[in-house]
Amino acid sequence: KNEVEQSPQNLTAQEGEFITINCSYSVGISALHWLQQHPGGGIVSLFMLSSGKKKHGRLIATINIQEKHSSLHITASHPRDSAVYICAVRGGADGLTFGKGTHLIIQP
Amino acid sequence: EPEVTQTPSHQVTQMGQEVILRCVPISNHLYFYWYRQILGQKVEFLVSFYNNEISEKSEIFDDQFSVERPDGSNFTLKIRSTKLEDSAMYFCASSETWGSYNEQFFGPGTRLTVL
Repeated sequence: KNEVEQSPQNLTAQEGEFITINCSYSVGISALHWLQQHPGGGIVSLFMLSSGKKKHGRLIATINIQEKHSSLHITASHPRDSAVYICAVRGGADGLTFGKGTHLIIQP
Repeated sequence: EPEVTQTPSHQVTQMGQEVILRCVPISNHLYFYWYRQILGQKVEFLVSFYNNEISEKSEIFDDQFSVERPDGSNFTLKIRSTKLEDSAMYFCASSETWGSYNEQFFGPGTRLTVL
């Protein structure tokens, strides 16, 4: 069973700061997802990656398969980025295994 | 942009009652999933469904749960006799095809409250 650990659990930063959220997992995977969950509860998929790096706007996701580690970066953070960021992994099975999430608050 | 929809957004029921949570996956998607998130805890996989049958289920998905695709658009999760511990947010997701490299798209969730 894959164990997915995220750090930090909580992060408060000032607007404009560069944000890094980390995810590590215990068993080899085929794909890793970064998801965003807003206070209302809905989940939005940000990235799915299996190697290297992906960029979308101010968001960058990287993964190191050998080290079983991924990072999500937010450049020029903004209060609207405040949300829970969740890492989820997929091995050979259908269902995703989720981390507990990182609660991010960006203060103006 | 196509999206997964779920109804109702909030369901309140009495313990022991049956509930049906409904989902409309993205129209050209073939794989469907249910997840749940108990308040304050992480999201957990319940079941995946393909070609009108369960593809995979977790240990949470016991005999109280069932899934169905009653028509060409809806995908439902039924809980036969709800328990207090079934109170959670239930998310439906769909993906275009099978395979690890296919992104899953999530619905907005149904908050189930069992009294």
